[in-house]
Amino acid sequence: DAGITQSPRHKVTETGTPVTLRCHQTENHRYMYWYRQDPGHGLRLIHYSYGVKDTDKGEVSDGYSVSRSKTEDFLLTLESATSSQTSVYFCAISESMGLVGTNEKLFFGSGTQLSVL
Amino acid sequence: TQLLEQSPQFLSIQEGENLTVYCNSSSVFSSLQWYRQEPGEGPVLLVTVVTGGEVKKLKRLTFQFGDARKDSSLHITAAQPGDTGLYLCAGVGSNDYKLSFGAGTTVTVRA
Repeated sequence: DAGITQSPRHKVTETGTPVTLRCHQTENHRYMYWYRQDPGHGLRLIHYSYGVKDTDKGEVSDGYSVSRSKTEDFLLTLESATSSQTSVYFCAISESMGLVGTNEKLFFGSGTQLSVL
Repeated sequence: TQLLEQSPQFLSIQEGENLTVYCNSSSVFSSLQWYRQEPGEGPVLLVTVVTGGEVKKLKRLTFQFGDARKDSSLHITAAQPGDTGLYLCAGVGSNDYKLSFGAGTTVTVRA
């Protein structure tokens, strides 16, 4: 199994509070991603990183920010949590962005269940 | 972002039966992946198909990529309870190389 650790695994917070989720990898992969998973929507990309301090927005980035100060760590921050951000958040890593080769794939963490009350 | 539609959304069958899950889009993909996800875990890659018309087999699972590289199917023969899970397809855009996921098909195999 790929070495990806997400923390915390579960979090309950109140509307308006800041929340930071952490993803730690031991694979030295260049690309890291944050997805959210909601029923009926599948996995939607929030932000991704292609190197230390290099990040870009995904399709649902509003209300989220990210930081990557080290290769192994990718943080997702909800500056002021809202109930619509209640979701399961997954971190993923890959060696390349294109994923066009048959040997390239995303490795996912086990997820963080976030509830915003 | 390319839209991938999976059908059916839910599927419940008896052990030993066959099932097929579909993944369709109006967009062309350079490759398409299938993942399986179990409760409380992240998705795990099953297979990647890259050539139009390609068929790949993984034990009792058969994956097919459409000739036009816009659709794919997953067929499970003689399903077992261990096949229970959420099956996700994901396509890599032919222009932007970004991965888009379908909403998934929840498969339940009853013993």
